[in-house]
Formats: sequence, structure tokens, C-alpha cells
Amino acid sequence: SQQGEEDPQALSIQEGENATMNCSYKTSINNLQWYRQNSGRGLVHLILIRSNEREKHSGRLRVTLDTSKKSSSLLITASRAADTASYFCATSNFGNEKLTFGTGTRLTIIP
Amino acid sequence: DADVTQTPRNRITKTGKRIMLECSQTKGHDRMYWYRQDPGLGLRLIYYSFDVKDINKGEISDGYSVSRQAQAKFSLSLESAIPNQTALYFCATHWTGFNEQYFGPGTRLTVT
Repeated sequence: SQQGEEDPQALSIQEGENATMNCSYKTSINNLQWYRQNSGRGLVHLILIRSNEREKHSGRLRVTLDTSKKSSSLLITASRAADTASYFCATSNFGNEKLTFGTGTRLTIIP
Repeated sequence: DADVTQTPRNRITKTGKRIMLECSQTKGHDRMYWYRQDPGLGLRLIYYSFDVKDINKGEISDGYSVSRQAQAKFSLSLESAIPNQTALYFCATHWTGFNEQYFGPGTRLTVT
């Protein structure tokens, strides 16, 4: 079963705008990760946030985590055409390093 | 060269055939995983291995088997392929204690 669900399922924005996607999960986690997938290709790790962290930045990426609401958000600032991809959240539980993936958000950046 | 490679990249096979998908990694990671991806369902875990002598079922292992021939190699077999096993298959690796997983480029499998 899927642990996480991303919202929205699809998002189209103009280049230069900010893109925000959300992830909700069901059980307690050790950490939450975000991955990007270009069409039909392997996933690439973007950022990891631990359960005791609330916010993390990496370049144009900003991730927040609210463990009380069991939710996370990924913000991509100043979007570029190359950001067009699907984005997945994945959670890891305590004592178990397996990842459980969400269903993904398909992001399209319009030049 | 890519750190995680998968062969074949594309495969079309018939119902009932046995097929093997192979994964190799040069990262020296101890843990390896097989996932399948279906449209709208994200990735689901088929099997995983924490070292050469350790094999574990994931959430959708029925109809699949695996072999960890060496630390660097992890193969997925479909003993008797069926059409609903048509999907994109990914291998991934990581090092114990470091949660980031590294993915191969995927194998697109079509069962007719």
C-alpha cells in the first residue's frame, strides 16, 4: 500500500513561478525524502528531512515537515523548464530503511 | 559509466515465458532493491536484500523471485510472465545508515 499521497497529482506553471507540492503520509516516520523522475527514467534523490527537523533548504528547493499533521511540502522557487518532471515523496520508518513511495506529482513548467 | 545499470532496458515477452532482469552497481552499496512502477501508483517494492545472504519480500512479491549473486548484482525473475506484470522496473541501492537510494535507469517490460 502507498504510504504517501502527493497533492496535486499534476501542476502546470509558468517558468519563473514557484511550484509547491504536498505529501501526506499515514504512519510515524524516521525521515521523508523527495525524489525527481524525468519521463520514463530512474528516480534522483533531491533532499531528505528527518522527523526532528521542520524545514530544510537545498539550492532552489525548500522542504517542510509537519509531523503532527503527517505532511510535507516541497517548494521549488524560480522554476525552470528543466524542472519539468514527476516528484515523489518517500518515507522511511524507524528501524527499517525501506522506502515507501507516494503516487507522485507531475510538474510541467511552461516556457 | 553509470553507477547502477539495468539490463535489458526494454523487453517484450509472451505470457508464460520466464524472464530475468539484471541489476549491477559499482557504488559498493550493501543494500539493493527491486521496485515496479505502474501509472498512477508510484513505486512499489518487490524484493530487497541487505547483503548477499539476506533476501526479503516486499509488498508485491507474488510471481517474482530474486537472486543476489554478489554484493554488486541483484537479479529479478518472472517465472511465468503474465500481462499484468507489464510495468517499468527499477533497481535501487543504498548504503546501510544512509537513506538516500540510487536508482538504475529502469527496464520497460511488456508481457503480451
